[in-house]
Amino acid sequence: GAVVSQHPSWVICKSGTSVKIECRSLDFQATTMFWYRQFPKQSLMLMATSNEGSKATYEQGVEKDKFLINHASLTLSTLTVTSAHPEDSSFYICSVSPTSGRGSGTDTQYFGPGTRLTVL
Amino acid sequence: AQSVAQPEDQVNVAEGNPLTVKCTYSVSGNPYLFWYVQYPNRGLQFLLKYITGDNLVKGSYGFEAEFNKSQTSFHLKKPSALVSDSALYFCAVRDYGNNRLAFGKGNQVVVIP
Repeated sequence: GAVVSQHPSWVICKSGTSVKIECRSLDFQATTMFWYRQFPKQSLMLMATSNEGSKATYEQGVEKDKFLINHASLTLSTLTVTSAHPEDSSFYICSVSPTSGRGSGTDTQYFGPGTRLTVL
Repeated sequence: AQSVAQPEDQVNVAEGNPLTVKCTYSVSGNPYLFWYVQYPNRGLQFLLKYITGDNLVKGSYGFEAEFNKSQTSFHLKKPSALVSDSALYFCAVRDYGNNRLAFGKGNQVVVIP
C-alpha cells in the first residue's frame, strides 16, 4: 500500500505554545488528506478534511482557528495546534486517499504512524 | 450519516483458535467497508476492504471478512489466531461518493498463548 509519514512522532510542549504536525505522502499524490484525533482506548474522530489548494473542511465542533490546516502541495498537509492546552493532548493521525501514483484508484485511505502530543 | 457498531470491547481467544471480530454498519447507499488494525502508539494499517463483487474478501496476514447485506454486517475472521494478532481492530464504512470514513469504537483482540 501507499506510504504516509508524520513528523514529529511525538512532541511535548508548554501550554500556550503552537505545535505543527506534518503529514507527507511518500510515493503518491493526494488532493485530499484527513486529520483524525484519537484518545486513549477510543476510536478515531475525524477533525477535518484537508483539500489541496483550498480551505479545509472542518467537522462540527472542531475549532478551525485552533486547529489550522494547510494543504499546500499534493504531498504535504500540516496541522497546527495553536495556543495548545493540556486538553489538546492526544494522538493525532493523518490519512490519505491517493489520487495518483501507488495506491491510487483503490478507494482506500492510508494512515500515517501518528503524532503523540502532550501539552504540559 | 454512515455509522459502524463494534459491539464487543475486547475479544479473547486462545492461540490457534478461530478469531472473529464483529461489525455492523449503517449507510444510506452502497457501502464501502474496511478493516484496519492498530498496534500501540502506531497508526492504522489497512487489512482489507469490500467495495463490490464477491462477498468474501481476503486480506493481509490471513484475515478475511464476509459482507452480508441482509444483516448489514462485515465480520472479520481469521481461522487460526497468532499471539502477534493481539491489537486494536477498527471497522470503517463510507457511502459511495463520500470519501469520509466513519469508524467503529474498535475491538481489543487478545490472543492468549
